Amino acid sequence: DAGVTQSPTHLIKTRGQQVTLRCSPISGHKSVSWYQQVLGQGPQFIFQYYEKEERGRGNFPDRFSARQFPNYSSELNVNALLLGDSALYLCASSGQATFTGELFFGEGSRLTVL
Amino acid sequence: LAKTTQPISMDSYEGQEVNITCSHNNIATNDYITWYQQFPSQGPRFIIQGYKTKVTNEVASLFIPADRKSSTLSLPRVSLSDTAVYYCLVGDNNAGNMLTFGGGTRLMVKP
Repeated sequence: DAGVTQSPTHLIKTRGQQVTLRCSPISGHKSVSWYQQVLGQGPQFIFQYYEKEERGRGNFPDRFSARQFPNYSSELNVNALLLGDSALYLCASSGQATFTGELFFGEGSRLTVL
Repeated sequence: LAKTTQPISMDSYEGQEVNITCSHNNIATNDYITWYQQFPSQGPRFIIQGYKTKVTNEVASLFIPADRKSSTLSLPRVSLSDTAVYYCLVGDNNAGNMLTFGGGTRLMVKP
């Protein structure tokens, strides 16, 4: 069975541009979460979506937005990119909205902002 | 959310048992303790979770004392492939998919 898949794996943008990152959860999983991981630090929670509704939001500016589609895949959008947005963006899926025990992470999308 | 403290780094040799201790003095009654492993340029991978006493699975053991203010992840007979960052997380298992990661422990296994 396929795990969590993310695309693109790597991308380079310039300051001020916009980026869209995509995530497909494990089949049957309805919850998708997004995390940002800056080099040398642990992942930081950005959003959680379940059944197309936002269920949680971390401490990130409004430049960050996300949505979930009827097939439970998800997109993360970041507008007006800053140099500090350079990071590994991780998507995680789980079968439940509320359970925090085991999340299944993808390999991430590495964003470099120049 | 309970704050966790764990060593920044540890070194070990192949075949040794590695114990990584995490302090979580402010753990709440409903909080579980969860450990994740992360290799470079990959997403974290769930290792083990526990609430109290001892939990063991095919890859690790988790020891939690009665006061639950700390926990120890035990990796038996490590190999080079166990070189990774290990994160200790504490949180309410019913609070949603928001995991709070700290800085983790960077384990280096040497030949």
